[in-house]
Parts: sequence; structure tokens; C-alpha cells
Amino acid sequence: EAGVAQSPRYKIIEKRQSVAFWCNPISGHATLYWYQQILGQGPKLLIQFQNNGVVDDSQLPKDRFSAERLKGVDSTLKIQPAKLEDSAVYLCASSLDGWQGTLPGTDTQYFGPGTRLTVL
Amino acid sequence: KQEVTQIPAALSVPEGENLVLNCSFTDSAIYNLQWFRQDPGKGLTSLLLIQSSQREQTSGRLNASLDKSSGRSTLYIAASQPGDSATYLCAVRPTTNSGYSTLTFGKGTMLLVSP
Repeated sequence: EAGVAQSPRYKIIEKRQSVAFWCNPISGHATLYWYQQILGQGPKLLIQFQNNGVVDDSQLPKDRFSAERLKGVDSTLKIQPAKLEDSAVYLCASSLDGWQGTLPGTDTQYFGPGTRLTVL
Repeated sequence: KQEVTQIPAALSVPEGENLVLNCSFTDSAIYNLQWFRQDPGKGLTSLLLIQSSQREQTSGRLNASLDKSSGRSTLYIAASQPGDSATYLCAVRPTTNSGYSTLTFGKGTMLLVSP
């Protein structure tokens, strides 16, 4: 079974430029997550999708970050314009389901390798 | 607001030692708790998931325990090997009325096992 795919793996941009990341979750997984991990910290959730609907985007800086999951499969995360403090690893994860009412374990999250963003 | 703390921040041990990593959380209303492993430059790999009704889970040389009332979990690694060197992250998922909730992660414990 293929894992979560992300691209690109690395990206270097100048501040005020824009950048986009792509994620393809495990086939059949309804829930998709984007996390931001700053060096030395644990991942912080940016946005959670259930199929193609947004469940939680409370920590997404909406003035500069946007995300979409068209057709409930793959997803893109965009930053425009980028700031120096956006330098981080952006992780995508997926799970069979994100709802607590389904079978235990179906919310286990599987992570992709991440995209390391450096903003100069 | 849920806060997750992991102690120690870093740990260095010789091969063969048994070791314990600690995780504490401030809100005991959790749905489950997960332990992850992260290798440098890589994503996270789920090691063990403990439901709120469970006390422990085991996988090979790993054993995770959960004491929800005291807000604590431990990850026990038996007979450590150099290949166990990685950062270990603890994450809790709270219980919510909506049924949807997100993981809150600790900062991790960086483990180095020397041959």
C-alpha cells in the first residue's frame, strides 16, 4: 500500500514570494491534515479536511495561507506572501476517518515525508 | 487549552539499556494518546495508540502506558538499539462534542543510542 506522498521535498524562496505544496493521501482515507513543524517543536495543525469539507482551520493564518482538497482526494497548501517565520517543515497526514464515533484506530494518522520550506 | 510536556528533552544511552520516556498532559478529557517516532528529515511514524479506556499497549520492544486521571503516559523501550535513535513525540486527542478533534503534540524527546 502506497503511503502519503508530498511534493516538493524542499523549497527555498524569498520573503513575499508565493509557494504551493501538494499532498496525495493514502487511497480511501477520508481525513487529510496539514501540519506546520518549526525546528525543535512538535507539529501544529493548520487545517483538517473530512472528504472535501473543512473540519478545523482555526490555526490557519488565513491572511496568507490557503488550502483546498478538491474532489476529496489530493490537496494543496499555498502561502502568499511568505514571511521569514514561515520557514518550517510542512507535513501532510491522512487517516481512514477523523470522527470519534467510528471504530477505534480508524483515526490513526499516517504522515508523509514533509516539505522543508526555507524563506530568505 | 491542552498542553503536552515531554521529559527529558534529550536522552543518550548505551546500547542494551532499558529506558522510559515521559509525557504529561493538562486536560484529562482525552479520546486517545499516540506515540510517534520521527527520524531526521522524515515524517512521523505512528508507534502505539492507546484509547482512553485502555491502560497500556505493546508492540515488540515498546510498551506505552496511560494514566488518564493523572495526565501521564510513559513509553518504555526495552533493550535499546542504535536503530532506535530518533525523536519520540507524544500526542493527545481530546474528546469533543462534535466528534472531531485534533492532535496536540509535545516537543519530543531526542533519543541517541550509542553502540
